[in-house]
Amino acid sequence: EAGVAQSPRYKIIEKRQSVAFWCNPISGHATLYWYQQILGQGPKLLIQFQNNGVVDDSQLPKDRFSAERLKGVDSTLKIQPAKLEDSAVYLCASSTTGLGIAQYFGPGTRLTVL
Amino acid sequence: QKEVEQDPGPLSVPEGAIVSLNCTYSNSAFQYFMWYRQYSRKGPELLMYTYSSGNKEDGRFTAQVDKSSKYISLFIRDSQPSDSATYLCAIFTQGGSEKLVFGKGTKLTVNP
Repeated sequence: EAGVAQSPRYKIIEKRQSVAFWCNPISGHATLYWYQQILGQGPKLLIQFQNNGVVDDSQLPKDRFSAERLKGVDSTLKIQPAKLEDSAVYLCASSTTGLGIAQYFGPGTRLTVL
Repeated sequence: QKEVEQDPGPLSVPEGAIVSLNCTYSNSAFQYFMWYRQYSRKGPELLMYTYSSGNKEDGRFTAQVDKSSKYISLFIRDSQPSDSATYLCAIFTQGGSEKLVFGKGTKLTVNP
């Protein structure tokens, strides 16, 4: 079974630029999550999708972050414009049901904002 | 007060040692307790989870939950260099806002 795929693995941009991350969850997993993991911290949930609907985006900074999951499979997370404090690893995870106990994580995208 | 507190370490032990990793949590509504392992430049992977107070064993790993004191632990017996990683405790609650809340993680190094 293929795991959660993410791209790119690394991205370096300057502040005020835009960036987008892509995630392909495990086949058949209805629930998809985006997390932000700042160095030395645990992952923090940004947004959760159930199929193509948003379940929880309470911690997503909506003035600069957006995410979509148009066909209930792949998802993209965008930051526009980026700030220095957005430097982090962005992790995508998926689970089989809405009960997100067993979440499977991708390798993450490491973003550096200069 | 943070929902989940975890000592970030780092923790360095010799091969074969017993390792104890701990977290405390503040919300008694939390229902599921997980331990994730994260190798450098990888995503977290679920090691074990438990629902009730008491111990749950899986090979060299034992997860312990004490709901009365809101304290969770992970013990690693006969630690190996391959156990070197960051260990994240995580807690999940149902009802209302269902989400996984992580601790900061403890970085463990097992020296051969």
